[in-house]
Amino acid sequence: EAGVTQFPSHSVIEKGQTVTLRCDPISGHDNLYWYRRVMGKEIKFLLHFVKESKQDESGMPNNRFLAERTGGTYSTLKVQPAELEDSGVYFCASSQKVGTEAFFGQGTRLTVV
Amino acid sequence: GEDVEQSLFLSVREGDSSVINCTYTDSSSTYLYWYKQEPGAGLQLLTYIFSNMDMKQDQRLTVLLNKKDKHLSLRIADTQTGDSAIYFCAESKRSSASKIIFGSGTRLSIRP
Repeated sequence: EAGVTQFPSHSVIEKGQTVTLRCDPISGHDNLYWYRRVMGKEIKFLLHFVKESKQDESGMPNNRFLAERTGGTYSTLKVQPAELEDSGVYFCASSQKVGTEAFFGQGTRLTVV
Repeated sequence: GEDVEQSLFLSVREGDSSVINCTYTDSSSTYLYWYKQEPGAGLQLLTYIFSNMDMKQDQRLTVLLNKKDKHLSLRIADTQTGDSAIYFCAESKRSSASKIIFGSGTRLSIRP
């Protein structure tokens, strides 16, 4: 069974450009989460989808970040326009039910120059 | 507030035991986790402990929880080169189990 997959694995963009990260959760997992680790610091929660609905988006840093999960399958996280401080590793995770184990993808390393 | 702290680096000789420590501030934490991240890989859940437990053992891994001091530790017995990774301490509450609060991670390096 395929795990959580994220694309791309690395992205280097210039400040002011737009980047879209994609996450494919484990099939059948209704819960999808986005986290990010900035500058080697702690991994911080961004938001949580249950199917296509945003259950908790309290961790989204500002309105330059837009997450979608149309159809309740894969999710995208768009950063527009990207700033230098957005550089970091963006992790996606999925779980079958809230409170059960969340499986993480390998992350997308975003570098804004 | 929610805060999880751990030291950034630990170096251990191969074959010795590794002890990675973590402190947290939220006394309402229900679940406490240890995640492992190997180079180029995602986060792997190593083990977890409920806040009403003191200890959990799983093969070479031992988790100790001191709820009074809000201190969590992970002991790896007979540390091997394959244990080299970043280890993240994390916690969540039953009321918001979707939101995991992570520490900054401890990079474990193994000396021959």
